[in-house]
Amino acid sequence: DAKTTQPPSMDCAEGRAANLPCNHSTISGNEYVYWYRQIHSQGPQYIIHGLKNNETNEMASLIITEDRKSSTLILPHATLRDTAVYYCIVHLTGGKFQFGAGTQVVVTP
Amino acid sequence: KAGVTQTPRYLIKTRGQQVTLSCSPISGHRSVSWYQQTPGQGLQFLFEYFSETQRNKGNFPGRFSGRQFSNSRSEMNVSTLELGDSALYLCASSLSFGTQPYNEQFFGPGTRLTVL
Repeated sequence: DAKTTQPPSMDCAEGRAANLPCNHSTISGNEYVYWYRQIHSQGPQYIIHGLKNNETNEMASLIITEDRKSSTLILPHATLRDTAVYYCIVHLTGGKFQFGAGTQVVVTP
Repeated sequence: KAGVTQTPRYLIKTRGQQVTLSCSPISGHRSVSWYQQTPGQGLQFLFEYFSETQRNKGNFPGRFSGRQFSNSRSEMNVSTLELGDSALYLCASSLSFGTQPYNEQFFGPGTRLTVL
């Protein structure tokens, strides 16, 4: 599976949009981009995933560049409860989910 | 619908002992994966089971093993415990295996294992 690169941490003001970048320059054509988050001491929570097209659900939006080498997770209106570690994962169907170090997001009042 | 359940939630063992952890997936989910999480190594994949067969395996020694039953419930076993096995062990279930869009994994709360 392709590796991902994420910034180790970022801050976001409550009520503002949080844009979380992820680089996956070695992604192959049939690998999906998944995002999970882990709030302290809890199991990771699925957020969203996509292959080529941009995706949106009730939690977030996923923007994947045309060359698929990077993506951005957007939390439209960050709340204090969005403080968590966010993981970007490149996953081949039928393969392993390999979690990296993730991005620690801190939402401040 | 009930989520993924893991038992026990907390466990204390001593070096050399063995331990068995249990995971009950979400009803209808047939794939179960196990992960180890430590402060130093982060979240690491152990193995994944589907239809009672191991489908994927991470880079862990043979002391770590697992199995899945016909009702999709899964257990993992760690033999000859070492201090470094102290970790949060997470189980995740998904609807199926090897098909899209059913690969979303739903995680349980984890079992906190402490080895003394």
